[in-house]
Amino acid sequence: SQKIEQNSEALNIQEGKTATLTCNYTNYSPAYLQWYRQDPGRGPVFLLLIRENEKEKRKERLKVTFDTTLKQSLFHITASQPADSATYLCALVLYSSASKIIFGSGTRLSIRP
Amino acid sequence: EAGVAQSPRYKIIEKRQSVAFWCNPISGHATLYWYQQILGQGPKLLIQFQNNGVVDDSQLPKDRFSAERLKGVDSTLKIQPAKLEDSAVYLCASTPANFPEETQYFGPGTRLLVL
Repeated sequence: SQKIEQNSEALNIQEGKTATLTCNYTNYSPAYLQWYRQDPGRGPVFLLLIRENEKEKRKERLKVTFDTTLKQSLFHITASQPADSATYLCALVLYSSASKIIFGSGTRLSIRP
Repeated sequence: EAGVAQSPRYKIIEKRQSVAFWCNPISGHATLYWYQQILGQGPKLLIQFQNNGVVDDSQLPKDRFSAERLKGVDSTLKIQPAKLEDSAVYLCASTPANFPEETQYFGPGTRLLVL
């Protein structure tokens, strides 16, 4: 069956450390993988996109890796801050004329001061 | 640039009643999506429009849910009759023509509680 799994429901780390979130998928062939941030009571906000032929993408303190052999993406936040506390969602964009998007269930990240 | 607008923001109804949600996407965005997000889960695609045509409605419970996008701009999603398990946040999103190179933009959502 097709599945997207994010490593854990919640992750709690100390301010200043690097947060690493995992997204694993099975039986999908995504053309792209996206990461979103969602705050309580709000819609998801796009953070980064990585293509199937890219290994790594960076944006400021964020880094995403994409391994299509392992069927896994890692999302890193370096020098984490309490303001980074939120739920992070990965989403697969599938090959099709419709660009279908499938979301994972998210990981709730808490950064303690 | 104005974002994706949704209304109402909150709705409480009793089971078997009907309810409608409205979405106005970002101007010029041809593709519009409706998602259902149950507490603790990621958004689940219900229906995708390209202009005023349906591209994908494979996960829309068509016995009770309906959606339309007249004139290829704003859209309404209706539930009739509602069930307890329909309690969720209903998110609308839109994308420009060069998606996914350009992201999809989400509205704030409508939080529905069915009693």
